[in-house]
Amino acid sequence: EIVLTQSPVTLSLSPGERATLSCRASQSVSSYLAWYQQKPGQAPRLLIYDVSNRATGIPARFSGSGSGTDFTLTISSLEPEDFAVYYCQQRSIFGQGTRVEIK
Amino acid sequence: EVQLVESGGGLVQPGGSLRLSCAASGFTFSRHWMLWVRQAPGKGLEWVSVINTDGSSTDYADSVKGRFTISRDNARNTLYLQMNSLRAEDTAVYYCARDMSWLQSDYWGQGTLVTVSS
Repeated sequence: EIVLTQSPVTLSLSPGERATLSCRASQSVSSYLAWYQQKPGQAPRLLIYDVSNRATGIPARFSGSGSGTDFTLTISSLEPEDFAVYYCQQRSIFGQGTRVEIK
Repeated sequence: EVQLVESGGGLVQPGGSLRLSCAASGFTFSRHWMLWVRQAPGKGLEWVSVINTDGSSTDYADSVKGRFTISRDNARNTLYLQMNSLRAEDTAVYYCARDMSWLQSDYWGQGTLVTVSS
């Protein structure tokens, strides 16, 4: 079974800084790789699908890249509303999440 | 506007049953695969089940296989999750979500909490 490992577990950054979140698969996976943002008490929100496509209404500061076993979500300049937990997903498997917190 | 509204959660004893519903609106329900995802308190996301457009094909996580049944009523624009033989480890917020492709979900409900405890 494929395992998705996200790193780091927690990322402490200041508004305006660049955030780079990693999602590594235990074996090569297809390009159906998604990223979600979740804030406390809220449902997940789709940010990126098919590795690099932004979902409807998602700001351009969010971008996705990668292939094979290594995937990255980049937030080019953190806004106050971006501090949240981020999950990657490949079909039925979710990563354990990365928390982006205010430094 | 796409809306997914779950209901049916609550407190149930171990071994008990519960049926969750998800009322969909704002899109053509019958054209989309639908799924359930859950999140235990303070934990990450776990995919639970998926159903195709006409209900003829379903799939389940190993953790719920044989105990949970997903179904849909396209005439009522409603998705269901019948949960039997509930265990403490099934305690979670259950989300319904619309599949856009290969279980990537573009719309989610607000979730309904299921608590399994004596």
